Amino acid sequence: AQKITQTQPGMFVQEKEAVTLDCTYDTSDPSYGLFWYKQPSSGEMIFLIYQGSYDQQNATEGRYSLNFQKARKSANLVISASQLGDSAMYFCAMREGMESGGYQKVTFGTGTKLQVIP
Amino acid sequence: EPEVTQTPSHQVTQMGQEVILRCVPISNHLYFYWYRQILGQKVEFLVSFYNNEISEKSEIFDDQFSVERPDGSNFTLKIRSTKLEDSAMYFCASTSPNRGPEAFFGQGTRLTVV
Repeated sequence: AQKITQTQPGMFVQEKEAVTLDCTYDTSDPSYGLFWYKQPSSGEMIFLIYQGSYDQQNATEGRYSLNFQKARKSANLVISASQLGDSAMYFCAMREGMESGGYQKVTFGTGTKLQVIP
Repeated sequence: EPEVTQTPSHQVTQMGQEVILRCVPISNHLYFYWYRQILGQKVEFLVSFYNNEISEKSEIFDDQFSVERPDGSNFTLKIRSTKLEDSAMYFCASTSPNRGPEAFFGQGTRLTVV
């Protein structure tokens, strides 16, 4: 079974508009972390935002916010005021066993390609 | 800002040849990883490394692959006899429980096997 599911292979958004990228996850571990990474065409993986399973508040980092709905096991990324430089591949990812230490691997979804239209 | 660095950025090799991909993780990080991304596909976990030994490896990480931390700074991935299907982007990453939960990724090495 897929641990991370991203159902939108591609998305378009008008510049300056907000966009939501969907992510659902599957785990029975009570202690996990959810991440979003951005991969521009140059290929590097850029960390955007993190949400811990015990965090009460939704994470925010500048124009990025994570809409965390624990009961629904969803962790959608919201990008406000889209910019042309936001055009990239976006990966949702999860690390389980966060209480056990720092070596658990990160599992990635299949990604969503976002294109920002001028 | 400390970062993970990988060399080379692009490597072309003949099928059957050995390649070594190099990574310098962030200083003081304790856990090291290799991931692979075949063009246009998802990022796949290969192996994690802690305290000079493999912590976990995936089914992809077969006997053709090995990892090593030969000195205090470098972390290498060796592919003994490359196959066409090894062509991919290879990412090194490092983490530390004292430095936040996220894994810091290098810029990747694009391996092309011809």
